[in-house]
Amino acid sequence: GAVVSQHPSRVICKSGTSVKIECRSLDFQATTMFWYRQFPKQSLMLMATSNEGSKATYEQGVEKDKFLINHASLTLSTLTVTSAHPEDSSFYICSASGGTSGRAGADTQYFGPGTRLTVL
Amino acid sequence: KQEVTQIPAALSVPEGENLVLNCSFTDSAIYNLQWFRQDPGKGLTSLLLIQSSQREQTSGRLNASLDKSSGRSTLYIAASQPGDSATYLCLCTSGTYKYIFGTGTRLKVLA
Repeated sequence: GAVVSQHPSRVICKSGTSVKIECRSLDFQATTMFWYRQFPKQSLMLMATSNEGSKATYEQGVEKDKFLINHASLTLSTLTVTSAHPEDSSFYICSASGGTSGRAGADTQYFGPGTRLTVL
Repeated sequence: KQEVTQIPAALSVPEGENLVLNCSFTDSAIYNLQWFRQDPGKGLTSLLLIQSSQREQTSGRLNASLDKSSGRSTLYIAASQPGDSATYLCLCTSGTYKYIFGTGTRLKVLA
């Protein structure tokens, strides 16, 4: 159980275009979803946290107008990279949490397989 | 501000060895600590989750311990295999939605 999928797994786009990445929890309801970014040979950095039906909370230094996050249902969150530039090329990973512990932030996160974005 | 460090950054061992990976954190007020493995170009696979009230968790050949007072967690891998080769990451959860990944340890197990 606790499977999280991401689509697409790999995307190449031209500079200035927008790219949408989907994150789905397949067999559980994800009350909270997280988006991470990983640059080559670096660890993952949390970009934003989103609760179903609420606006996402962005980490310091992450532009919310550039990285649009929508968490419209308990099984789907999307990350849209708007007006992508080459410096946005990275590995984007989402994770989902079912909130079963009853304490915000204390639950196991289940990670998607990631999306490699290359902006030309 | 929570800082999470993993030592060593890279490790190469012959098959069959028992090994220990370390994760150190500066703020002991954590909710839990989770260990993951990441294969090259892939996502993360959760290995073990230790809640703040626990001292260790075991799964197969893996054992993770947590010592909040010293700000340390260790991941013990018994009888290592080439398939264990990956990057191992620890994730500290401290405070509401405060998630900090460690710097990672790249493990290579030689056949």
